[in-house]
Amino acid sequence: GAGVSQSPRYKVAKRGQDVALRCDPISGHVSLFWYQQALGQGPEFLTYFQNEAQLDKSGLPSDRFFAERPEGSVSTLKIQRTQQEDSAVYLCASSLELDRGREQYFGPGTRLTVT
Amino acid sequence: GESVGLHLPTLSVQEGDNSIINCAYSNSASDYFIWYKQESGKGPQFIIDIRSNMDKRQGQRVTVLLNKTVKHLSLQIAATQPGDSAVYFCADNAGGTSYGKLTFGQGTILTVHP
Repeated sequence: GAGVSQSPRYKVAKRGQDVALRCDPISGHVSLFWYQQALGQGPEFLTYFQNEAQLDKSGLPSDRFFAERPEGSVSTLKIQRTQQEDSAVYLCASSLELDRGREQYFGPGTRLTVT
Repeated sequence: GESVGLHLPTLSVQEGDNSIINCAYSNSASDYFIWYKQESGKGPQFIIDIRSNMDKRQGQRVTVLLNKTVKHLSLQIAATQPGDSAVYFCADNAGGTSYGKLTFGQGTILTVHP
């Protein structure tokens, strides 16, 4: 079946612009995660949804970052007034997670470059 | 410019050799562990996972070993192939208020020479 998809794959934004990154999880997956991956580093947790509820947003770096999943399926990560330090790959993952500790399946990521 | 390789441990092996990739974790409350493979330009791909009530788990050509005493995890790849060349990450989860959140290690670059 189809995996996690993300769009756009690449995004170039001028400093100060707002961006919106989309994630389509695997159909039927309850949990959805956003991670940020800087060059040469492992992914870092941003936020987590179970269905439409955002249960953990402790990793969001500032109030410029906002995520939503209004119908418990597609999710959007929005970054307002982008800064150069926001340049990274933004990864989305989903998990069936009927109980805790299920594997997370990742999408290809969106590479954001802020100029 | 910067190279990814300057920041990550590297392992170079010949095709057909066995590879062992090591990982240390810091959270003694972690009870779920997972290995991912990441190829250039792609998202992490699930390899194998293990819960803290086990110390060894085997998959196809891969084995994960967990030593909770020293907070160490390893991934063994048998008969390594050129297609195994990638960056390998371990990750852990501690449950509780960190429900679902994976904490990733720094990664290891594996290069397999034909």
